[in-house]
Amino acid sequence: KAGVTQTPRYLIKTRGQQVTLSCSPISGHRSVSWYQQTPGQGLQFLFEYFSETQRNKGNFPGRFSGRQFSNSRSEMNVSTLELGDSALYLCASSERLAGSTGELFFGEGSRLTVL
Amino acid sequence: AQRVTQPEKLLSVFKGAPVELKCNYSYSGSPELFWYVQYSRQRLQLLLRHISRESIKGFTADLNKGETSFHLKKPFAQEEDSAMYYCAIIQGAQKLVFGQGTRLTINP
Repeated sequence: KAGVTQTPRYLIKTRGQQVTLSCSPISGHRSVSWYQQTPGQGLQFLFEYFSETQRNKGNFPGRFSGRQFSNSRSEMNVSTLELGDSALYLCASSERLAGSTGELFFGEGSRLTVL
Repeated sequence: AQRVTQPEKLLSVFKGAPVELKCNYSYSGSPELFWYVQYSRQRLQLLLRHISRESIKGFTADLNKGETSFHLKKPFAQEEDSAMYYCAIIQGAQKLVFGQGTRLTINP
């Protein structure tokens, strides 16, 4: 099976712009979780989608949003970008809800730089 | 809310020496804990989970409810063990929450 695929791998934006990141889960996986990884904060949970519904949400402002499509692919969007949004955004998929197994399969990440 | 704390951001040991990566958790019930690892230029991946009581790549982790700890141990470190290690806990039976991570460096 192909692994979790994230696009784009790298992108540079300027403050105030918006960005959309895409994630294709492992075939058959219905849950997609998003995390923000930074050197100072480590891995911080953004949200989880399962069967096109947001099931859990972390403590991020409303500028961060996401959605999931019927084929389980997911996108996350960050609007009005700030310098502090520069990070590696990781997507992870699992067969069931992350909280039921704890076993996530991660993508390589999308590295966002905000100038 | 359940959370995990990894007190060491950096840990450096010599090859062949024992290694212990610390993880403390806050939870009053029966937690579900995990260790994830990210090798250089590789994806973050599950290393082991406490419920399995398994040894992976020579690593073991025992849940100590009295000390609320889930430390990751290996008796003899190898250079290929150099990586970023994250402790994680299932929070509220809903989401997987990670610690801040410990970067382990094995010196030759």
